[in-house]
Amino acid sequence: AQKVTQAQTEISVVEKEDVTLDCVYETRDTTYYLFWYKQPPSGELVFLIRRNSFDEQNEISGRYSWNFQKSTSSFNFTITASQVVDSAVYFCALSEASRSGTASKLTFGTGTRLQVTL
Amino acid sequence: GAVVSQHPSRVICKSGTSVKIECRSLDFQATTMFWYRQFPKQSLMLMATSNEGSKATYEQGVEKDKFLINHASLTLSTLTVTSAHPEDSSFYICSARDRGGTVVSPLHFGNGTRLTVT
Repeated sequence: AQKVTQAQTEISVVEKEDVTLDCVYETRDTTYYLFWYKQPPSGELVFLIRRNSFDEQNEISGRYSWNFQKSTSSFNFTITASQVVDSAVYFCALSEASRSGTASKLTFGTGTRLQVTL
Repeated sequence: GAVVSQHPSRVICKSGTSVKIECRSLDFQATTMFWYRQFPKQSLMLMATSNEGSKATYEQGVEKDKFLINHASLTLSTLTVTSAHPEDSSFYICSARDRGGTVVSPLHFGNGTRLTVT
């Protein structure tokens, strides 16, 4: 069975600080996919990134960066120079590759609520 | 980008009544849609996988007779909460993957429906 753990329930930072959101996952599959989603107060889920299990390259997109470490089963997310608009709940999720080729479901972590204040 | 429209965004109903929630993919076709439930400050829990033209696949512990899912077309799936009770009050959110995408294409989420049963 798959499992995603986000140990940080809530984080509060002051604007312009860097913050890292942790994600640890468990899966028996050798092929799997990891995602990060952002859920602002309005409720919708916004896709941020997808990473497959064969690609351990770290990725940077603007102020966002992701560190994928298979050795520790972690997929951490860092926001550099945080802004108030970054305040949201961030979910890490895992999807195993479907052998049938049909759409695979996501297993979500419990989320980390990030509060960025002035 | 791909848009998933969910309606209504909020609904309040009396105990014993039924509520229908619609999930539409506006600019793409979705063979498969997923219905999630989110309790306050908790993660998203997959309820069921909705397949166009066939029966939905329910997760363990989800009552299929209580949460009726219909996926009548490639752009519409509905979730009906039958004989709603206060414990059904929750945030329901649907997601869909573009039919033309791969099994690991990002899921696109609706804005969610907050159901309150009085």
